[in-house]
Amino acid sequence: AQTVTQSQPEMSVQEAETVTLSCTYDTSESDYYLFWYKQPPSRQMILVIRQEAYKQQNATENRFSVNFQKAAKSFSLKISDSQLGDAAMYFCAYRAPWDMLTFGGGTRLMVKP
Amino acid sequence: EAGVVQSPRYKIIEKKQPVAFWCNPISGHNTLYWYLQNLGQGPELLIRYENEEAVDDSQLPKDRFSAERLKGVDSTLKIQPAELGDSAVYLCASSLIQADIQYFGAGTRLSVL
Repeated sequence: AQTVTQSQPEMSVQEAETVTLSCTYDTSESDYYLFWYKQPPSRQMILVIRQEAYKQQNATENRFSVNFQKAAKSFSLKISDSQLGDAAMYFCAYRAPWDMLTFGGGTRLMVKP
Repeated sequence: EAGVVQSPRYKIIEKKQPVAFWCNPISGHNTLYWYLQNLGQGPELLIRYENEEAVDDSQLPKDRFSAERLKGVDSTLKIQPAELGDSAVYLCASSLIQADIQYFGAGTRLSVL
């Protein structure tokens, strides 16, 4: 079974600074998808960014970018110019084609003004 | 476009009582998911529907949990009888097809006293 590990239960960043959230996963598949979801106190999971494993180029969405290291099975999320609204739980998730979505345990991000 | 709608947002019941959660997916989404999210953890899949058919319910505790998706649109998740350990957030998600991005509702927070 696939596993997703987020080794940082909590992270803190100063407003306008940059922070990186870590994620590692275990799989024997060569084709799969990786996701970062944000869950604010409202509880609704919001997709932040998605990466296809067959693409070597790292995905970017505005202030959010990933560092995808396929050989190391690592998928970190970088948030640039952090804003107060970025404060939330962040979940890394993995999915092989036509399989279930597996989530990590989450990282709580706090943004200090 | 309306997102995934869940109700109620909160539910407090006494143990051994029944409880039901309702989910209305995004219009046109054929695949519907129910997840269980314990405090401080990532969501875990309970059941997946393709239209009205439950195609993956291996994680659903069938002795007390049941689900239905009549007419392949709205879905209801039921617990009877509820136990103290069922206190958690129950999330619903939907996607166009199983291989597509999942969109989540805001969840129902259940407290069993």
